[in-house]
Amino acid sequence: DAGITQSPRHKVTETGTPVTLRCHQTENHRYMYWYRQDPGHGLRLIHYSYGVKDTDKGEVSDGYSVSRSKTEDFLLTLESATSSQTSVYFCAISEPGTSGGADTQYFGPGTRLTVL
Amino acid sequence: LAKTTQPISMDSYEGQEVNITCSHNNIATNDYITWYQQFPSQGPRFIIQGYKTKVTNEVASLFIPADRKSSTLSLPRVSLSDTAVYYCLVGENSSASKIIFGSGTRLSIRP
Repeated sequence: DAGITQSPRHKVTETGTPVTLRCHQTENHRYMYWYRQDPGHGLRLIHYSYGVKDTDKGEVSDGYSVSRSKTEDFLLTLESATSSQTSVYFCAISEPGTSGGADTQYFGPGTRLTVL
Repeated sequence: LAKTTQPISMDSYEGQEVNITCSHNNIATNDYITWYQQFPSQGPRFIIQGYKTKVTNEVASLFIPADRKSSTLSLPRVSLSDTAVYYCLVGENSSASKIIFGSGTRLSIRP
């Protein structure tokens, strides 16, 4: 399995508090992604990074920010958590051009976040 | 963006062959077709990828007709452990940020 860890694995917080989720990889892959997964919606891309300090928005980026100061770490921050951000968050990595086709993404174990 | 359509759910029995079809009518010339598998409480896992005709690996086969507007994931002789959600994705190299996962197909295998 790809070396991807997420922390924390579970978190319960209150509305209005800031929350930071961490994704750490040991594969030296250039691309990193944050997804959220909710019942009936599959996975939706929040933000992604294509290099250190290079990030861009995904499909559902409102209310989230990201930072990538090192290749191995990608942080997702909820500045002021809301109940609508209760979800399972997955981090993924990929390295373009290694598979000969479309990028293959490798996913972390997920973080279950509950905002009360 | 190439959108995909797949059945919401499917049921089968152990030992059977299961075929899950995905429709992608507006697939682009440079797009590849990729399938992922997701077990409960885990992240998705890559199963197979193809561009045209047939691809086979130790887990599954992928059939892609000449017009590439659909694809079929074939799981031979399924077991209970194949119960999962299967996602069909369409996209080109270095465009993973533009790939949409959708809701997938929930496959349930019964004894």
